[in-house]
Amino acid sequence: DGGITQSPKYLFRKEGQNVTLSCEQNLNHDAMYWYRQDPGQGLRLIYYSQIVNDFQKGDIAEGYSVSREKKESFPLTVTSAQKNPTAFYLCASRYQGALSYEQYFGPGTRLTVT
Amino acid sequence: SQQGEEDPQALSIQEGENATMNCSYKTSINNLQWYRQNSGRGLVHLILIRSNEREKHSGRLRVTLDTSKKSSSLLITASRAADTASYFCATVLLSGNTPLVFGKGTRLSVIA
Repeated sequence: DGGITQSPKYLFRKEGQNVTLSCEQNLNHDAMYWYRQDPGQGLRLIYYSQIVNDFQKGDIAEGYSVSREKKESFPLTVTSAQKNPTAFYLCASRYQGALSYEQYFGPGTRLTVT
Repeated sequence: SQQGEEDPQALSIQEGENATMNCSYKTSINNLQWYRQNSGRGLVHLILIRSNEREKHSGRLRVTLDTSKKSSSLLITASRAADTASYFCATVLLSGNTPLVFGKGTRLSVIA
């Protein structure tokens, strides 16, 4: 089965702790993305990576960090510097060719920080 | 920054009726896509329309694109209760090699 997996589905943390969200894909996609979604809102881009060992900030990168050491994996760390970390986090990937712009999404991780 | 704005924010219809959602965007695009999100789930790609296309069909979905007005519409015909979800438009900017920029979505409720 090809696809994107995110784990865990639900995550609870105390304020002041860093937490890492996992995203893995076996679609052989070059590009991977992290989005944040707040209730009733659209998706806002946190970070994206178009190639291994390279990534760019999105619109709301402050308080987050990423790595892209392997093509299949793009973990997101929510640091204690992120003021309002409670949200639904979505990972996506896509093939980087010009004929395909469709993004494939994982099931999401709901992070609650108290 | 959010490029697309969907209208209406919420829509409630009876099963069997058609549902129309609109999307407006600000800058020139390579293509526009529509995605569906069931509550608490990831997004699923529905349809893509390129900037040189005006209309596209896929099953019960019909998408139009008017680049002069920077707007698109998604029509779902003969809606079913299972169509209840949030629908998002997303644009790829003209260069093509950019991340999708999403709107805030339309929440569709189809009442059986």
